[in-house]
Amino acid sequence: QQQVKQSPQSLIVQKGGISIINCAYENTAFDYFPWYQQFPGKGPALLIAIRPDVSEKKEGRFTISFNKSAKQFSLHIMDSQPGDSATYFCAASLAGGYQKVTFGTGTKLQVIP
Amino acid sequence: ETGVTQSPTHLIKTRGQQVTLRCSSQSGHNTVSWYQQALGQGPQFIFQYYREEENGRGNFPPRFSGLQFPNYSSELNVNALELDDSALYLCASSYSGRGSIALYNEQFFGPGTRLTVL
Repeated sequence: QQQVKQSPQSLIVQKGGISIINCAYENTAFDYFPWYQQFPGKGPALLIAIRPDVSEKKEGRFTISFNKSAKQFSLHIMDSQPGDSATYFCAASLAGGYQKVTFGTGTKLQVIP
Repeated sequence: ETGVTQSPTHLIKTRGQQVTLRCSSQSGHNTVSWYQQALGQGPQFIFQYYREEENGRGNFPPRFSGLQFPNYSSELNVNALELDDSALYLCASSYSGRGSIALYNEQFFGPGTRLTVL
């Protein structure tokens, strides 16, 4: 059972544009929502994360928007750069207990000059 | 500070064989999680080790097993390999401690081991 749905599967954005990736979750017990960036041949690296008690978190060009009632969250990459070209995964995990992270299916982002 | 390392980088096995993958956790971390990432998919949680004991398991059969050592490094063992076991195996380390903000312990991933089963 897929608990985190991610879209789109792939995304092409012009340099300087805004990249938007959306995710939806089912389990209302999730309370930590990280985004990971993965380059080919590398493991995922934490990009930015949000807790459900805030609706938005911004770090540099990266912003997470969180809608608890809709059980949706999204990643916005402002002023997208070719170096941002990578696969992005949204994820969710439960409070306490063991730290299983449930990943979305990924979005392959290509930023073209 | 040393990051998460995994060995080997690549591995080719044949169906029915057994394989052992290794992971060294990041300095100061005491928890190791293993994930399987099939091509074009997100990582899937296999299991987690904390204080040398399995501390949670995903939807993987018993032929996937693991160990954690006193230095917090870990092994993933897969018996009776099947073609569908071909994937990137990722190890992630984190810190878990009594009284810590265990809710948001960031997991740091290694580069993975690419396993091909022929």
